[in-house]
Amino acid sequence: EVQLVESGGGLVQPGGSLRLSCAASGFTFSYYWMHWVRQAPGKGLVWVSRIKYDGIRTTYADSVKGRFTISRDNAKNTLYLQMNNLRAEDTAVYYCARWTYYYDNTYAFDLWGQGTMVTVSS
Amino acid sequence: DIQMTQSPSSLSASVGDRVTITCRASQDISKYLNWYQQKPGKAPNLLIYDASNLEAGVPSRFSGSGSGTDFAFNISSLQPEDIATYYCQQYDNLPYTFGPGSKVDMK
Repeated sequence: EVQLVESGGGLVQPGGSLRLSCAASGFTFSYYWMHWVRQAPGKGLVWVSRIKYDGIRTTYADSVKGRFTISRDNAKNTLYLQMNNLRAEDTAVYYCARWTYYYDNTYAFDLWGQGTMVTVSS
Repeated sequence: DIQMTQSPSSLSASVGDRVTITCRASQDISKYLNWYQQKPGKAPNLLIYDASNLEAGVPSRFSGSGSGTDFAFNISSLQPEDIATYYCQQYDNLPYTFGPGSKVDMK
């Protein structure tokens, strides 16, 4: 079955760290750019970060730059998000999503994980 | 950053009604726009890519149109299972940005 399964969420104090994982199965993980998207409780979707299929190139939203690190292990078919110096405003469901190429610069998030909740609170 | 707006923010409609949601970008994004459906407690699900292309397996009552800065999303005949929040998303420029969502419920 083609799927993404996140794990690693939980309750953490402000200033703390957490590492999220996203296990991919049913497709050739190493062919795809992968992204993290988050959603604060009752709010909309916000793009967080992306990583190229070979892991060489990464990009971050300004709100997490310098605090979050995206990485991947293609041998383990797993995407990661290391989150340091967490703030209350980082509280959200974090989704990993596959970025699929269709044609002529056309892309979309065509596969999403179920999400993992991160709560930053003292 | 490119700002995305959607209207309405919420609407109520009856089974069989035609539903239209509009999405506007703060600058020209060509056709680099996707539409997602999100049901409560679930992950988003891709419906439309490249403004007007129906994702495989998505019912044909869903459609999209537009280019540049103005886009529309339609449900030709609302079904009970379409109760959800719908988001547009641009990918012309990083950071990729989503609209604030349009919540559709049943009258």
